[in-house]
Order: sequence, then C-alpha cells, then structure tokens
Amino acid sequence: DTEVTQTPKHLVMGMTNKKSLKCEQHMGHRAMYWYKQKAKKPPELMFVYSYEKLSINESVPSRFSPECPNSSLLNLHLHALQPEDSALYLCASSQVWTGNWGDEQFFGPGTRLTVL
Amino acid sequence: QKEVEQNSGPLSVPEGAIASLNCTYSDRGSQSFFWYRQYSGKSPELIMSIYSNGDKEDGRFTAQLNKASQYVSLLIRDSQPSDSATYLCAVKAGGYNKLIFGAGTRLAVHP
Repeated sequence: DTEVTQTPKHLVMGMTNKKSLKCEQHMGHRAMYWYKQKAKKPPELMFVYSYEKLSINESVPSRFSPECPNSSLLNLHLHALQPEDSALYLCASSQVWTGNWGDEQFFGPGTRLTVL
Repeated sequence: QKEVEQNSGPLSVPEGAIASLNCTYSDRGSQSFFWYRQYSGKSPELIMSIYSNGDKEDGRFTAQLNKASQYVSLLIRDSQPSDSATYLCAVKAGGYNKLIFGAGTRLAVHP
C-alpha cells in the first residue's frame, strides 16, 4: 500500500473559524510532512515530523498548529487564517533518512483550502 | 541558500518524440534526487528517484545524475499527450528529511 490519504478534499472557512486537516498513511513510514502549494509554484515545506516528534518548523505562523498523534496520523489545526493562506495543503510521508536510498516522499491528494 | 534550478518552459514536443528535462542544484552535499509529475489541480506523483551517478531507467523514463556537474535530468521517450504536466525536480541534502524543489518545468506534448 503506497497511499497517503487526506481529508477533507475541499475546505472553505472564514477567518474566525477553527478547522483541522487530517492525513493518514499505512506504509510504516516514520517521517511525515506538511506542505503548502500556491498556484503555479512548487510545494513549500511547512513542518516535518520524525518518529512522531516535530523536527522541522519552517517559521510557519502560529495560526497553523501541527499534531502527530501516532505514527500513521498527522493533523494540521487551523485558526484565524487569512485569505492569503488559501492554497493546496499537501501531506507526505517517507522513511526517515538513513543515509541510503529508499527515502522517497509520497504525497497525498491534498486539501484545497479557501479562506474567505 | 540551497537552490534547485529548472527551466520553467513550456517545453513543447511532438507526440512520439523524446522530452528532455533538466535540473541543476547548488548543494554539493545532496544525496537524493527525485522527479515528480504534477497534473493541473492534482498532487505531485513520484516518478523517479536516483542516488548514484549514471542512468536509471524505468519504462519510458530515464533519470540521469552527474554529481560532479551538479546536474540531474529526466528523459521521457515516446512522449504521449498524457505526459503533458509540470515536472518537479527535488533534491535532498544528506542528513535532513527536507526536499528542495525546483520551480518545475511545464511539458506540453502535442499530437
């Protein structure tokens, strides 16, 4: 199974709402990622979890709050977002880097977020 | 600043031709190299990974890596209209679970 799933597929929220994005993988991967992608731009890394611990935060505003409840699940909690946060939010997973091959990142289908 | 450079295109090739996509990177410590295909409105799909100098072939796709020149390429043989997409080059430096993406090259295969 090489699938990463994300819910919901689409989300529309107001600037005062609180919502959460969810990601799940069953590939036994111990690294999980959140990316943000704007139109015609490459994915932009937000957070990395390794062994369920936050290892990289790319200076993301605190209105985005990640959570990794277990090795298969990754959440992104959203609060007080701005219209410029509208984007495709991508989750990915991989093996933790071991110095050899096999560290490919696999992406989920994404959540299309619109902030009104 | 670690960088990955790609020609944004569009690269237009006729059906059945070879499409050649190129990528250069700045960090000599880079260990892992990937090509992703992304259709409009969809998420990136991994199509090739390469870790050693030389060529790696998978079906109609061939990835080429030259670490001395800091250059990685993707060849698509017998291009099909269904190959029309944006191709993202991604590079990972050793010791970090962090991909650096190029801006992507848009490929258009016309019948």
